[in-house]
Amino acid sequence: ETGVTQSPTHLIKTRGQQVTLRCSSQSGHNTVSWYQQALGQGPQFIFQYYREEENGRGNFPPRFSGLQFPNYSSELNVNALELDDSALYLCASSLTGQGGETQYFGPGTRLLVL
Amino acid sequence: RKEVEQDPGPFNVPEGATVAFNCTYSNSASQSFFWYRQDCRKEPKLLMSVYSSGNEDGRFTAQLNRASQYISLLIRDSKLSDSATYLCVVNPQGGNTPLVFGKGTRLSVIA
Repeated sequence: ETGVTQSPTHLIKTRGQQVTLRCSSQSGHNTVSWYQQALGQGPQFIFQYYREEENGRGNFPPRFSGLQFPNYSSELNVNALELDDSALYLCASSLTGQGGETQYFGPGTRLLVL
Repeated sequence: RKEVEQDPGPFNVPEGATVAFNCTYSNSASQSFFWYRQDCRKEPKLLMSVYSSGNEDGRFTAQLNRASQYISLLIRDSKLSDSATYLCVVNPQGGNTPLVFGKGTRLSVIA
């Protein structure tokens, strides 16, 4: 296993609601990247956090926001949920600064928006 | 043109067969390349990195052709446990920067 954990595993919300997803990175890793994987698609990059700062963002609206904490765990927040936000949300843990570029994925949170 | 393109399949092959997947990428300056494997309803897992010199890991061989912007994965002697979706992944900027995924190619190995 990768040592990356995510919670919750599944979530059902309704349109307009807000959701917070959590990710604990692998021990020793300082970077967390978040991806959205819609059904039948490859994962799409949302944003990356390094040392508690956003370090790159994909083509997602501002209602997708995040945080990274001093212990390098991270949250993804989505406001004003839309039906198209239904997807598997993956976080990937990695180490920046020592030549490690491999991203290790957590098991994901499956979000269904009704 | 999509950044990373793959044939979605499905590829249905008998046990013991050899199967090859191909992938093309649009950004000629891309730095790093990978194949990830994703089982149904699970997270992607790194299968192997891909180098210009080609690399082999047991039954799996990956190849990169930078001139043609083409990546391949060859699986020899397919096992039932190889059934999964194989994601072609490109890291355009190199280092610890965002990965760009293809849609994946689904493989079913049949007894």
